[in-house]
Amino acid sequence: DADVTQTPRNRITKTGKRIMLECSQTKGHDRMYWYRQDPGLGLRLIYYSFDVKDINKGEISDGYSVSRQAQAKFSLSLESAIPNQTALYFCATSEGQGGNTEAFFGQGTRLTVV
Amino acid sequence: AQSVTQLDSQVPVFEEAPVELRCNYSSSVSVYLFWYVQYPNQGLQLLLKYLSGSTLVKGINGFEAEFNKSQTSFHLRKPSVHISDTAEYFCAVTWTAGGGNKLTFGTGTQLKVEL
Repeated sequence: DADVTQTPRNRITKTGKRIMLECSQTKGHDRMYWYRQDPGLGLRLIYYSFDVKDINKGEISDGYSVSRQAQAKFSLSLESAIPNQTALYFCATSEGQGGNTEAFFGQGTRLTVV
Repeated sequence: AQSVTQLDSQVPVFEEAPVELRCNYSSSVSVYLFWYVQYPNQGLQLLLKYLSGSTLVKGINGFEAEFNKSQTSFHLRKPSVHISDTAEYFCAVTWTAGGGNKLTFGTGTQLKVEL
């Protein structure tokens, strides 16, 4: 089983619909992240959480919200999906206090908003 | 603000030829540097990282990178590529900000290895 699991792997939704992407991890890490990947733009940070009670906005948080239900679970929601949110979404985890630790990524969720 | 620049969006190369993927960073504080690889339809996995010490770091699959502080670069190299190296490669940087760590990625370089 994967250490970082994202569900669903693929999703097509209509404009205006609410959608939730889920992430769970078995690595025991406190820190979890949501990234969005677009061609030519690399990965951009949407939200991150350093523990269950700590949620922070990343560089592109508008139109998104998150919930850290437990140490192992971090969900990303699109309250009202729009076509320019069509992208590949990645969840990641890491441990440690500093920036010197590796991030572990899920397989990604490909979201299409029509 | 800190940033990462990958100058080449695509790099075509023949099998068994050497390759260099370029990465430059901008930061007013000390950084940690990473290279991640993304194979088709997969997530990212760590190729190598520079934290401190020797400026030449070796990673998986025969890749290596050299940290050059004066040129603020962290270029990735492999002396002889294989078809299986075809993938997208991301340079990334972290630094301590508000007591935590966040990865900032470059825009990626698509390496295409041809026969």
